[in-house]
Amino acid sequence: QQQVKQSPQSLIVQKGGISIINCAYENTAFDYFPWYQQFPGKGPALLIAIRPDVSEKKEGRFTISFNKSAKQFSLHIMDSQPGDSATYFCAARATGNMLTFGGGTRLMVKP
Amino acid sequence: NAGVMQNPRHLVRRRGQEARLRCSPMKGHSHVYWYRQLPEEGLKFMVYLQKENIIDESGMPKERFSAEFPKEGPSILRIQQVVRGDSAAYFCASFGQSSGNTIYFGEGSWLTVV
Repeated sequence: QQQVKQSPQSLIVQKGGISIINCAYENTAFDYFPWYQQFPGKGPALLIAIRPDVSEKKEGRFTISFNKSAKQFSLHIMDSQPGDSATYFCAARATGNMLTFGGGTRLMVKP
Repeated sequence: NAGVMQNPRHLVRRRGQEARLRCSPMKGHSHVYWYRQLPEEGLKFMVYLQKENIIDESGMPKERFSAEFPKEGPSILRIQQVVRGDSAAYFCASFGQSSGNTIYFGEGSWLTVV
């Protein structure tokens, strides 16, 4: 019940396109859903996060869409750039518990 | 995030030696997670600590691994009698009321066992 399932494992997008990464969870106690971006040799950097009382959150080119009834959330990267090429992790946490990560998506944006 | 400081960044140990990894959380944070990442893999939870308390150690191997977060000083992840399979990146993350419970990660400690 602690699992977070992330798809796709890898994604290739043309420059200027939209990158979409999806995550699904089972534990209804999760109340915090962050996305992290990780470059090789670096730590995960917080990109954007959402709580379940909000259906969408946008920060610049990055948008989280949250569907509480379906227990799914997704990251959309608009106008994708080569500099966005990285591994993206979704995560979820219930207050007072560990942060559970999805398996990661390796994004490549082709120039 | 530069606020969570981990050291050493890179550590090489021979099989059988001890590895000690340190994590200084962001200022005002009293909660720390440790995660392990094998090459080309995801982040696996190891332990969740609050100052002077272990909240959840369900991800820690039963032997050779221990963690602490004392009242004063950094959190320490200790790996005794290291084996080649311990080679990985170890990440610390911290959170607390000062950041609205947002969780920030350090840059990691890369352990290589030779």
